[in-house]
Amino acid sequence: NAGVTQTPKFQVLKTGQSMTLQCAQDMNHEYMSWYRQDPGMGLRLIHYSVGAGITDQGEVPNGYNVSRSTTEDFPLRLLSAAPSQTSVYFCASSFGLQHSPLHFGNGTRLTVT
Amino acid sequence: AQKITQTQPGMFVQEKEAVTLDCTYDTSDPSYGLFWYKQPSSGEMIFLIYQGSYDQQNATEGRYSLNFQKARKSANLVISASQLGDSAMYFCAMSLGGGADGLTFGKGTHLIIQP
Repeated sequence: NAGVTQTPKFQVLKTGQSMTLQCAQDMNHEYMSWYRQDPGMGLRLIHYSVGAGITDQGEVPNGYNVSRSTTEDFPLRLLSAAPSQTSVYFCASSFGLQHSPLHFGNGTRLTVT
Repeated sequence: AQKITQTQPGMFVQEKEAVTLDCTYDTSDPSYGLFWYKQPSSGEMIFLIYQGSYDQQNATEGRYSLNFQKARKSANLVISASQLGDSAMYFCAMSLGGGADGLTFGKGTHLIIQP
């Protein structure tokens, strides 16, 4: 059982480049989300989705796009990378109920130079 | 807006001692959930324990228990008989309403267990 799979694990971009962080889950979870983790800041919600075709913004959505065409996949797109987007990105999924814990992927460490 | 505060940036504890990691929260919503996650140096996020705002009893999961004091808005994690493998970052988090709006995380506590 793979759980939540994120790719790539590491990525270096130059300012202005675009890229997509991939996230897939095989637990049939309706709820998926993206967080970024910065030193001393905890995790902050970027975007989330409560089901295929439905997405919404979290606390720090600027500079990121998402889509949810299937239940399994929830890619995060950086349209024009900036050094401020250097961070560790986590994808997470759950059944979307208040008591449902998030299942996290192993993270993507992104550096923008 | 909801907020989670973890006031201990770092803690050193002797192996086999009990550890209490502090977490206070702020919300006016009567329905909420509180979570603790562990992040070892390898980076993955591991779910430890959950407490619902309407739960009458404190949650327990093996060596982990949650000291839930609703009136004080605190949800401290207690680790009994600490082990070297407990060394990690620990995050407290809160969900509101139906849970679909995601979790709000605290900034974490770095726990180091000393032999």
